[in-house]
Amino acid sequence: AQSVAQPEDQVNVAEGNPLTVKCTYSVSGNPYLFWYVQYPNRGLQFLLKYITGDNLVKGSYGFEAEFNKSQTSFHLKKPSALVSDSALYFCAVRDMNTGRRALTFGSGTRLQVQP
Amino acid sequence: DVKVTQSSRYLVKRTGEKVFLECVQDMDHENMFWYRQDPGLGLRLIYFSYDVKMKEKGDIPEGYSVSREKKERFSLILESASTNQTSMYLCASSLGTGTYNEQFFGPGTRLTVL
Repeated sequence: AQSVAQPEDQVNVAEGNPLTVKCTYSVSGNPYLFWYVQYPNRGLQFLLKYITGDNLVKGSYGFEAEFNKSQTSFHLKKPSALVSDSALYFCAVRDMNTGRRALTFGSGTRLQVQP
Repeated sequence: DVKVTQSSRYLVKRTGEKVFLECVQDMDHENMFWYRQDPGLGLRLIYFSYDVKMKEKGDIPEGYSVSREKKERFSLILESASTNQTSMYLCASSLGTGTYNEQFFGPGTRLTVL
């Protein structure tokens, strides 16, 4: 079975400071990993994905994520937070080695950036 | 840009009613998905479809059914709505047979069952 955990319900950070939103996953094979963001009253938007290759993945709006196989983690990072980054962030995983076609999403982490 | 539209942003229904949620995508995507989003639970997959007339159950299919008669349209049906089906429903689509392609989401339908 595939699963993903986002251990923090909420992350608070001051504008201009670096931010990290944590994600760990569990799969039997190799993972496809994704980050999505949901701004207030809007649908989810794709941020970035890891399929294979370079462990550091760069995405939209200055976000990046690092795939760490030994720690089974895929933390989302940004060097300098903006107030406009305040949103709900979801990590998702798919096990490449199973027949399951769909993603499994985490419970979400609310990022609050204070001015 | 991919556009995924959902028939209603807000919907209020009564217990026992039959409810139809419609989703349309305009980019010829093979895969379409229905999720429900609840606070603290994230997104949970109800059903998905990888081709016309093809469907697979997700993690929480009980109380729901789906229909995909045309490639661009994927309908979620609540045969007899119950109060525990009050939730935000999100539709998504993605390209191709592999789900390593990102999913594109609609704006969501907030369903309240009284």
